[in-house]
Amino acid sequence: SQQGEEDPQALSIQEGENATMNCSYKTSINNLQWYRQNSGRGLVHLILIRSNEREKHSGRLRVTLDTSKKSSSLLITASRAADTASYFCATALSSGSARQLTFGSGTQLTVLP
Amino acid sequence: KAGVTQTPRYLIKTRGQQVTLSCSPISGHRSVSWYQQTPGQGLQFLFEYFSETQRNKGNFPGRFSGRQFSNSRSEMNVSTLELGDSALYLCASSLGTSGRTGELFFGEGSRLTVL
Repeated sequence: SQQGEEDPQALSIQEGENATMNCSYKTSINNLQWYRQNSGRGLVHLILIRSNEREKHSGRLRVTLDTSKKSSSLLITASRAADTASYFCATALSSGSARQLTFGSGTQLTVLP
Repeated sequence: KAGVTQTPRYLIKTRGQQVTLSCSPISGHRSVSWYQQTPGQGLQFLFEYFSETQRNKGNFPGRFSGRQFSNSRSEMNVSTLELGDSALYLCASSLGTSGRTGELFFGEGSRLTVL
């Protein structure tokens, strides 16, 4: 079963606009990660945020984590056509089967030129 | 540094056959994980190997198996293929020395079609 659920399932925006994707999860985590996947390709790691962190930035990416609400958001600022891809959140649990990631269902982002 | 290499990239099999997929991790990475991606179930964890030992296994039937060699290269095998095994199989590597999963580096995947 999937730990994370993402919202929205699909998002279409114009180039230059900001894109926000949300992820919710069910159990306690050690860290939460975001990955990007271009159609039919492998996943590329974007950013990792640990359970004791609330916000993290990397270039045009901003990730927030609210462990009390078991949710995270990924903000991509000033989006580009090249940002068109599927975005997945993934959680590493704080206990039990820690040596695996549990992925959400993904958000398909389309950035229109 | 070369990335994670998966072979073959595409393959077509018929029901009942078996298939072996190969993964070469990034040099120096000792952990290799396998994930299955399908439109219906999304990304699901298959298993993880570290220093030739399976450390963790997902909820898949025994038809799915894997192994890791002393050079950290890994193979996964699916026997008695079913139509539902059609998927993109992704391999990921990491250093694997931390107690919890950190950043994973993925290969481009092996696209399996079962007819």
